[in-house]
Amino acid sequence: EPEVTQTPSHQVTQMGQEVILRCVPISNHLYFYWYRQILGQKVEFLVSFYNNEISEKSEIFDDQFSVERPDGSNFTLKIRSTKLEDSAMYFCASRLDNNAPDTQYFGPGTRLTVL
Amino acid sequence: DQQVKQNSPSLSVQEGRISILNCDYTNSMFDYFLWYKKYPAEGPTFLISISSIKDKNEDGRFTVFLNKSAKHLSLHIVPSQPGDSAVYFCAASEKAAGNKLTFGGGTRVLVKP
Repeated sequence: EPEVTQTPSHQVTQMGQEVILRCVPISNHLYFYWYRQILGQKVEFLVSFYNNEISEKSEIFDDQFSVERPDGSNFTLKIRSTKLEDSAMYFCASRLDNNAPDTQYFGPGTRLTVL
Repeated sequence: DQQVKQNSPSLSVQEGRISILNCDYTNSMFDYFLWYKKYPAEGPTFLISISSIKDKNEDGRFTVFLNKSAKHLSLHIVPSQPGDSAVYFCAASEKAAGNKLTFGGGTRVLVKP
């Protein structure tokens, strides 16, 4: 069964450093998402991406964040200058199309630890 | 932001019995509702969904009920199995808002053998 994959599974970085989290969505899916879950808190939406551009972003997704689909398979989340409060699980998700409500399928997540 | 709320942080049930998980929402524009199961250090796994035009959807041991007037949905698992022990999240989306998911806080289910 097709699945969303994410690398790395765990990333440790120093405050102020840049990190890139990578995702490979399900191959025929068209909509891509990033969510995060800070320890003990809800899963929260960061950004959605369709047709090579951001379709919606949350208040969390400030200028320090960017997303890119550099080729036909990868979808990346970049944090330019990490802060302690960026420590969280980051989940990538993908969805097939927008013609009807459709399920988002999640990857296993990347645990980001900012020291 | 409490648009989706799961009021029971935990639930303990005997194997073979029914598990009932509840979820309330406030945004009447939500048009699609989903339940996800999550194990520690893993991503949410899709379980079952329901469109706002329906009031019930069943898939094997899992049934989701939607009461739009009460802005309430529930997930029934019957019979419960030890492998069902996990955290369950309800989520809601609105097509006009790009189908981003708004999650509840989760309910930890423990199924005792």
